[in-house]
This record gives sequence, structure tokens and C-alpha cells, in this order.
Amino acid sequence: QSALTQPASVSGSPGQSITISCTGTSSDVGGYNYVSWYQQHPGKAPKLMIYDVSNRPSGVSNRFSGSKSGNTASLTISGLQAEDEADYYCSSYTSSSTPLVFGGGTKLTVL
Amino acid sequence: EVQLVESGGGLVKPGGSLRLSCAASGFTFSSYSMNWVRQAPGKGLEWVSSISSSSSYIYYADSVKGRFTISRDNAKNSLYLQMNSLRAEDTAVYYCARVGRNWQFDYWGQGTLVTVSS
Repeated sequence: QSALTQPASVSGSPGQSITISCTGTSSDVGGYNYVSWYQQHPGKAPKLMIYDVSNRPSGVSNRFSGSKSGNTASLTISGLQAEDEADYYCSSYTSSSTPLVFGGGTKLTVL
Repeated sequence: EVQLVESGGGLVKPGGSLRLSCAASGFTFSSYSMNWVRQAPGKGLEWVSSISSSSSYIYYADSVKGRFTISRDNAKNSLYLQMNSLRAEDTAVYYCARVGRNWQFDYWGQGTLVTVSS
């Protein structure tokens, strides 16, 4: 099972909005609404930010939002803040023999 | 408060074995599927293995199939990963994670480092 495709890096200035894409196939992202997004700061465990494409867990800022179109899911962060600088990973359930696949990760730099 | 605490990592020679443990607390462990996810130094997340709440369903990544065995003891609120025939490419931080209904990993442990080197 190939990893989902994410851009290696994105950047934005404080207050701006950025979007991170996550491209898969009809066997994963396009076929199920089971896309999640994780934030990981250096040396820390990942944290769930979005699940089921667009749902936020309790306690996650509403500046984080998710969407999907076809085989591509997206994470949008609005009103960028310095603490948003981190690595972001998408994941999706897949219909292959291995049920879960991650994206390669995107490093967000807040300029 | 949900807590997941991994242990058992360390330095092991290629071809060796190691058993990781994950102690869970703060939730009804027997009601949730659990997973292992690893992250090689400077690399991204890689899903390793999954086990359903009653151990009825078990899955492995192709990269570890036949070498790793996931198991759980619901009476002890514990998750395990038996790793055999270890290779240099298995070097990583190993995280245990609780799985929500739709394959979201809603809680993660702090991770335990496994280093495979001679």
C-alpha cells in the first residue's frame, strides 16, 4: 500500500490561512470518509486534529478544518499562529489488505 | 484521563527480538481496538499493526508481516508487540494508539525507541 501524497512543506505568515493536501485513490481517500489529520511537534507524539474528513475532536481549535473532493483531502488552518508550526500527517482507511495508510507528512513553517 | 505508556524499547542486534508493552488506563480498554505506529528517525509515521477489542481481527503492515506479533490482555489493560528477526530498518520510535470507530487514532502514548544495530 503506497503512502498518501502530501506536499513536503508549506509556509505562511501569522494570521494567514494555509491548506495542506492529501491525495490518495478511490480505494482509500476517495472511497471512504475516514480521513484523519494529525499534528506533531518535534519530539512529541502525534495529536488528532481532524477525523472523519471534517470533524474536530473536543479541544481542537476551530481554526482547523478539513474537507475532501474526490481522491484528495485537505486540511486548512486559518489565522496562522506560531504554535501551529509542526509536521502534519493525513491518514485514511483503505480497502486493501492493510487497513490504514498515512501520508508522507508536511512540514508547516510559520514565517 | 486516558493514558498510554509504552515500554520495552532498547538496543538490539540485527536478527534479535524485543517485546514492547503498552499500559492503558483511564478508559475501558476492552472496548477499543488498538494499534502500533512507528516513526523512523527523521521520517514520517508508518502504521504497523492493529488488533480489535476482542483480538478477533488482527492486521499487519507488509513490512513486518511474519516477523511481528500483536497481542493484548484485556484483564491487564495491556497491549503488546513481539518483534522477531529485527532489521536495521525497524529502528524507530514505536507508539501505541487507541483507535476510534472510524480508524482515527484519538490517543497516543509517548513512544518507545527501538534501535537495531550491531
